[in-house]
Amino acid sequence: RKEVEQDPGPFNVPEGATVAFNCTYSNSASQSFFWYRQDCRKEPKLLMSVYSSGNEDGRFTAQLNRASQYISLLIRDSKLSDSATYLCVVNTPGGYNKLIFGAGTRLAVHP
Amino acid sequence: DGGITQSPKYLFRKEGQNVTLSCEQNLNHDAMYWYRQDPGQGLRLIYYSQIVNDFQKGDIAEGYSVSREKKESFPLTVTSAQKNPTAFYLCASTRDRGQTEAFFGQGTRLTVV
Repeated sequence: RKEVEQDPGPFNVPEGATVAFNCTYSNSASQSFFWYRQDCRKEPKLLMSVYSSGNEDGRFTAQLNRASQYISLLIRDSKLSDSATYLCVVNTPGGYNKLIFGAGTRLAVHP
Repeated sequence: DGGITQSPKYLFRKEGQNVTLSCEQNLNHDAMYWYRQDPGQGLRLIYYSQIVNDFQKGDIAEGYSVSREKKESFPLTVTSAQKNPTAFYLCASTRDRGQTEAFFGQGTRLTVV
């Protein structure tokens, strides 16, 4: 089982749609969770951190379910500019912490 | 402005040659990471370091080497032993040992011909 798994996508949605991405992680001791956005041929950039209580930033909502080892990202009222690949990131604790990335889910928003 | 600088942005090398990718950060971050990304795929961890003079292998370390002689620098050498070196290489850093968000450099596109 991969340490971090995401919906493979791609998701093709019209402008204004609501879209949800899911991510599961295998290490129950993981403590830090993030969603990153990556545009084509660019470096990933932080979209939002994911907190236990869930958090919202404008049209974006992130949720964490520790019992199911699952995090999600909801995008409301999709814009053309939301088209990108969304990466789920989880830290793997232990003697040496490391950040593990999911393979990413591609989103294409069309007019 | 603080940030991470990777150089060069594009690099072409002949097969069988070693090549070193530079990564420098002025964020005073403890941990640094190297990832590899192939077209249409996610990031795979090559090496990471949490303190000076110490580093750990990631999932795909074979054919790569690193050093961490200074806190701000974490160069990656792609050796001739790496069978498929053509890829997009990304360097990242975190303030602490992986608990907080990672900041990325702009990446180096390595093409081996």
